[in-house]
Amino acid sequence: GQQLNQSPQSMFIQEGEDVSMNCTSSSIFNTWLWYKQEPGEGPVLLIALYKAGELTSNGRLTAQFGITRKDSFLNISASIPSDVGIYFCAGQTSGTYKYIFGTGTRLKVLA
Amino acid sequence: KAGVTQTPRYLIKTRGQQVTLSCSPISGHRSVSWYQQTPGQGLQFLFEYFSETQRNKGNFPGRFSGRQFSNSRSEMNVSTLELGDSALYLCASGTGPSTDTQYFGPGTRLTVL
Repeated sequence: GQQLNQSPQSMFIQEGEDVSMNCTSSSIFNTWLWYKQEPGEGPVLLIALYKAGELTSNGRLTAQFGITRKDSFLNISASIPSDVGIYFCAGQTSGTYKYIFGTGTRLKVLA
Repeated sequence: KAGVTQTPRYLIKTRGQQVTLSCSPISGHRSVSWYQQTPGQGLQFLFEYFSETQRNKGNFPGRFSGRQFSNSRSEMNVSTLELGDSALYLCASGTGPSTDTQYFGPGTRLTVL
């Protein structure tokens, strides 16, 4: 099936460090969503982006909708142990009524 | 507001059996999407329903089917289960009709023996 390219695949960082991850696609999207998933649970929506160039924050999280509409970025500042999980991006093309998901970035935070 | 609920949370079946999973979207949401999540393939789109109509379908065999009821609750059915169908099945609801933002339920963990 279709997937977005998400990088990095995994990250091990020290508590307090900033984190950056991104998703790229060959298709143009009109919506980008970022999710976090913890073991045994469904993904939880973190940030939704609807316009090219849009920059949106949710606490220590900031995400951007790329100008080309083919990429998106998520930054986490001052990471804490509870940030541990898998982060997914998801993109939707206009009129398709479905999302394509990235492969996920597994984040581990060392206290 | 209650979130998306999925039942059952865990299910164990044997090859050849069939299974039905249920999803109740957030109150007021009319769109329901289903995804299969496996370690090897990630999150794969199964199908999406809005107002009882299937609007889009992923690349899964005909053994996978779904429906949506007038109260927006949705069910998916998998017939003639195979070992490879073992996965976490996730349901997501959205306000529709453009399905611009999706909220996931906790999933149903299906194990096929």
